[in-house]
Parts: sequence; C-alpha cells; structure tokens
Amino acid sequence: DAGVIQSPRHEVTEMGQEVTLRCKPISGHNSLFWYRQTMMRGLELLIYFNNNVPIDDSGMPEDRFSAKMPNASFSTLKIQPSEPRDSAVYFCASSLLQGAVTDTQYFGPGTRLTVL
Amino acid sequence: AQSVTQLGSHVSVSEGALVLLRCNYSSSVPPYLFWYVQYPNQGLQLLLKYTTGATLVKGINGFEAEFKKSETSFHLTKPSAHMSDAAEYFCAVSDRDGGSQGNLIFGKGTKLSVKP
Repeated sequence: DAGVIQSPRHEVTEMGQEVTLRCKPISGHNSLFWYRQTMMRGLELLIYFNNNVPIDDSGMPEDRFSAKMPNASFSTLKIQPSEPRDSAVYFCASSLLQGAVTDTQYFGPGTRLTVL
Repeated sequence: AQSVTQLGSHVSVSEGALVLLRCNYSSSVPPYLFWYVQYPNQGLQLLLKYTTGATLVKGINGFEAEFKKSETSFHLTKPSAHMSDAAEYFCAVSDRDGGSQGNLIFGKGTKLSVKP
C-alpha cells in the first residue's frame, strides 16, 4: 500500500533558478497539504487543497511560490525564482475526508531543498 | 488564534525510564489535539489524537496522552522508553468548530534521545 510519494527527495539548486516539487497523494484521499519545515520556524502549512481546489493559501510566503493540483493524483509546488532562505524540507500530506478536522494526515518523506 | 507550546526542545531519558513530553495549547474553543512522531529523514506519522470522549488517549508504540482542559495540556507519556523511541515529537492542534477546515497548527517539536 503506497503512501504519499514525493519527488525529488533532495534538490540542490542555485539562487534564481526555478524549483518544482512533486507529490502523489494516497489514492482515494480528497485533501492534500503542503508544509515547510525549518529549524527557525518549525512546521508551517503553506497551502491545502480539497478535491483539487485550493482552499487556503494564506501560508504561501510570497508570490514566488505557487501550487497546483491538476488532478486527484498529482500536485506541484513551484518556487520561481528560488532564494537561499527557501532552503527547507517540504512535506506533502494527504487525508481522506474533505475538510474533516479530525482526519489523520499522512505525510510523505519530504523533499530537502537547498538553494545556494 | 490557536497556538501550541512544547516545553523543552530536547529531552533525554535512559532506556526503560518514563517518557514525558509536554504540550500546552491555546484555543478559544476546545480543540482537537494530535501527537505526531518524526523519525530521522522521514515524514511525520500520527501517534494518537484526541477528538471527543475519553480524555486519556492511547496510541501506537505504547504512547498515551491525556487531555486536561483545566490545564490546557495534552502531555505525551510512555512508561518505559525504548531505543527505537528516539525521534522528534510534534504536538498539534486543530480548531473544533471547523473554521480551520482541517488545518493543523504544530508545535516546534521535542527531540527525544534515549540513552542505553
């Protein structure tokens, strides 16, 4: 039973480059979440989708960040242009029930992004 | 606004000793409460959650937590630590009235070390 799949697992890029992170949620899950984890700020919610529709993107730090979910089995988080302060581990998570506050979120292994 | 405070960024115990990880929350309404565990280089995994009913919640791997409304606390305990418990633990809160639509607010995490 595959869990949440994220790619790449590690990404090293130079400042100014475009970065695209990918996520495949668990099949049948209706909600998808993107988080960022840093030592300074901990784990922060960036954006989440219900049934492929973005519901809350208030956590997206600035216009350089964008996220899409073109279908139920795929989502991307794009940073353009990237900056060194974007270096972090980015997690994708999915849950079964749309907007259910009690539902368990299942996390992927994360993408460790380093921007030089 | 909701918030979560985890007391102690690092906790060290001996194998076989009691594990106590502290979590206090701030919420205008009784919240839903969660503990997640993160093993090195992995995503977060749900340990347990409190939604309603019994205030003492049992989770996986022998962990349990008790919701104490009067103390606004949800401390995580395990009677006897095992080496495999070494990980980072995150407390999280979600809004009971559904306003956050499934958003989790995470604490900064507590890294647990277990000494042989």
